[in-house]
Amino acid sequence: EVQLVESGGGLVQPGGSLRLSCAASGFTFSSYWMSWVRQAPGKGLEWVANIKQDGSEKYYVDSVKGRFTISRDNAKNSLYLQMNSLRAEDTAVYYCASGRHPGEWLIWGQGTMVTVSS
Amino acid sequence: SYELTQPPSVSVSPGQTARITCSGDALPKQYAYWYQQKPGQAPVLVIYKDSERPSGIPERFSGSSSGTTVTLTISGVQAEDEADYYCQSADSSGTSWVFGGGTKLTVL
Repeated sequence: EVQLVESGGGLVQPGGSLRLSCAASGFTFSSYWMSWVRQAPGKGLEWVANIKQDGSEKYYVDSVKGRFTISRDNAKNSLYLQMNSLRAEDTAVYYCASGRHPGEWLIWGQGTMVTVSS
Repeated sequence: SYELTQPPSVSVSPGQTARITCSGDALPKQYAYWYQQKPGQAPVLVIYKDSERPSGIPERFSGSSSGTTVTLTISGVQAEDEADYYCQSADSSGTSWVFGGGTKLTVL
């Protein structure tokens, strides 16, 4: 079965850090672009970051540049998002997604909730 | 920063045709994608590369492009199509991706 499973979400104080993970199975992980997309409570979707199949290209939305780092381990079929200097506005469900091309997200995880609050 | 503009809501009766538009300056240069999201669920890709339909998506879903506007058309709308729909594309440089604000489709 093709699936993505996120983990690592939770409650963190402003200024804190969190590392999200996404485990892939059922498809050739190393052949796909991987991405993080988030959705604040009651709001729309927001693209966060993309990483190319071999990790050679990484892109971020302006609001997280310098604070978030996307990475992948193709040997472990895993995607990561290191989130530092977290702010209240980072509170959202974070989805990992994959596709043959960036933006063409055919496979999605179920999401993991990140809450930034004191 | 780059923006995609969608109407907040569209309402249609069952069996009618729903059209959801999305406007953006870079759309003549970049492909558009459409996602369906139902409450509490992850998004589902329903149209890719402006007008292609992924396997398993019903034929009543179609996409088109004209200049700076792309359109998602749902023919013969069914109650199960009630959801939020988001367009998505890249900016002109192809290094930043955005979603439209989303359109809530209500089936009357």
